[in-house]
Amino acid sequence: QQQVKQSPQSLIVQKGGISIINCAYENTAFDYFPWYQQFPGKGPALLIAIRPDVSEKKEGRFTISFNKSAKQFSLHIMDSQPGDSATYFCAASSWGNTDKLIFGTGTRLQVFP
Amino acid sequence: GAVVSQHPSWVICKSGTSVKIECRSLDFQATTMFWYRQFPKQSLMLMATSNEGSKATYEQGVEKDKFLINHASLTLSTLTVTSAHPEDSSFYICSARRGVNYGYTFGSGTRLTVV
Repeated sequence: QQQVKQSPQSLIVQKGGISIINCAYENTAFDYFPWYQQFPGKGPALLIAIRPDVSEKKEGRFTISFNKSAKQFSLHIMDSQPGDSATYFCAASSWGNTDKLIFGTGTRLQVFP
Repeated sequence: GAVVSQHPSWVICKSGTSVKIECRSLDFQATTMFWYRQFPKQSLMLMATSNEGSKATYEQGVEKDKFLINHASLTLSTLTVTSAHPEDSSFYICSARRGVNYGYTFGSGTRLTVV
């Protein structure tokens, strides 16, 4: 119940295209869903996060879509750029208490010019 | 705001020696710090959670005597890998949280190579 399932494992997108990464969770106590971007040899950096009170959140080219009833959330990267090539992790936790962050398995995104 | 500094960024040590990794929250007080381990092309695996002034809580399967965690102040946590062996070679990442209504900020990671 603590797992967060992420797909696809890898994704190849042409420059200017849309990258879509999906995640699903089981624990209904989760109410904080961040996405992290990680470059090789670096720690993860917060990209965007959402709470269940909204179904969508957009920041620049990055959008999170959240479906509470399906217990799924996804990251959309619009106008994908070669600089977006990185590994993306979804995660989940319970806001407002000391619970740990549960990570998805990661998606390696490659954007070709 | 919310910057976490981790040192060193990389370290090479001989088998049998101990290595200490530092994690500092630079502009906030971290009530909770987390230590992760990441193998190549894999996700982050939580090793332990530490709260200032109390003993760390280790995840199942993580040897507490091998991975010593000290959270001595609200801005500093250390991970010491004792009697390191080649299989301990990995990427170690810390994370800090200001409080239960704040997000998680990650350090830049430490690449440990045991030879």
